[in-house]
Amino acid sequence: GEDVEQSLFLSVREGDSSVINCTYTDSSSTYLYWYKQEPGAGLQLLTYIFSNMDMKQDQRLTVLLNKKDKHLSLRIADTQTGDSAIYFCAENPPRDDKIIFGKGTRLHILP
Amino acid sequence: EPEVTQTPSHQVTQMGQEVILRCVPISNHLYFYWYRQILGQKVEFLVSFYNNEISEKSEIFDDQFSVERPDGSNFTLKIRSTKLEDSAMYFCASSEGHEQYFGPGTRLTVT
Repeated sequence: GEDVEQSLFLSVREGDSSVINCTYTDSSSTYLYWYKQEPGAGLQLLTYIFSNMDMKQDQRLTVLLNKKDKHLSLRIADTQTGDSAIYFCAENPPRDDKIIFGKGTRLHILP
Repeated sequence: EPEVTQTPSHQVTQMGQEVILRCVPISNHLYFYWYRQILGQKVEFLVSFYNNEISEKSEIFDDQFSVERPDGSNFTLKIRSTKLEDSAMYFCASSEGHEQYFGPGTRLTVT
């Protein structure tokens, strides 16, 4: 069935790059997303990538998509304390309204 | 920047009671959604709504649940007779295309 998997925790030093990885099962998913959730807040759409792309860059964020391996990653350059949050990978299967979420990766920033 | 809003932020109710969770989607959006996140689990899709009717619903969205757009701005989720296992964070989302924007959530606690 449809599933999105990601590691639960990542610790990174302030100023380093963070790379959060995700695998998904539906190779025909049309859109893949990264959402950010800060403590006590909702889900903020950070960025998304269309399935016919392999890379998307938006300021400090770089999304890489490997369709063959069904692997998605989010790179945050120059990680700041404000980047501390849970990051959710998500897919939108074709002809489907819903978004399917992973469990989220908690990013912890070390001083 | 327009955003999705939800009220209340926290609702405590007794088992068997009816609750209505309210959402104000982004004004020019045409698609509306409800998701929930049980503590420690994934964000799960409940239902999508378009053109004043349900377009898709999950297995979770049984006869105890209903949605309504009572006027031009609000979108509500009603749970008729709450159960302990309905305790969760409920997120409303809206979109005009493939980007779903989420509200801050309503934490529902059923005692």
